[in-house]
Amino acid sequence: AQTVTQSQPEMSVQEAETVTLSCTYDTSESDYYLFWYKQPPSRQMILVIRQEAYKQQNATENRFSVNFQKAAKSFSLKISDSQLGDAAMYFCAYRSAGNQFYFGTGTSLTVIP
Amino acid sequence: ETGVTQTPRHLVMGMTNKKSLKCEQHLGHNAMYWYKQSAKKPLELMFVYNFKEQTENNSVPSRFSPECPNSSHLFLHLHTLQPEDSALYLCASSQGDDPYEQYFGPGTRLTVT
Repeated sequence: AQTVTQSQPEMSVQEAETVTLSCTYDTSESDYYLFWYKQPPSRQMILVIRQEAYKQQNATENRFSVNFQKAAKSFSLKISDSQLGDAAMYFCAYRSAGNQFYFGTGTSLTVIP
Repeated sequence: ETGVTQTPRHLVMGMTNKKSLKCEQHLGHNAMYWYKQSAKKPLELMFVYNFKEQTENNSVPSRFSPECPNSSHLFLHLHTLQPEDSALYLCASSQGDDPYEQYFGPGTRLTVT
């Protein structure tokens, strides 16, 4: 079975600085999708960014970018110019070709003013 | 807010009660999911429905009973729950045959006393 590991339960970053959240996964599939979700306190989980495994180019969405290393099965999230509104739980997720989703345990990000 | 709604948002029930959680999606998706979110644990996928048919039941105890009357509605019927069932229950939907992300509801915070 696929597993997703987030080894950083908590992270903090100074406002306007850059932070990187780590995620590794285990799979034998070659075709899959990876996601980062954000869950602010008491609010709905929303998608931050996604990456198709067949694409070599790293996905970017404004201040959010990923470092996708397929051979290493690594999928880290970089947040640039951190803002107070970025404070949330961040979940890494893996979607198999069979439409099964697997989530990590999450990283709680604190943004320090 | 996304196009996935859940009711109630909070529920307190005794171990002998019977209650139901409701999820509705307004996105035209054909797949719906129930997840259990507990502190410091990965999201646990409970049930998956594709085109109203249950395709996954990940070893969920029978005290949880899902129902999907149509592709827009999903219920989770609860009876004789245990205190360890207290958690945030999240509903999500997706386009089953597209590699897109899941859209999550706000969740129901369940407390079993």
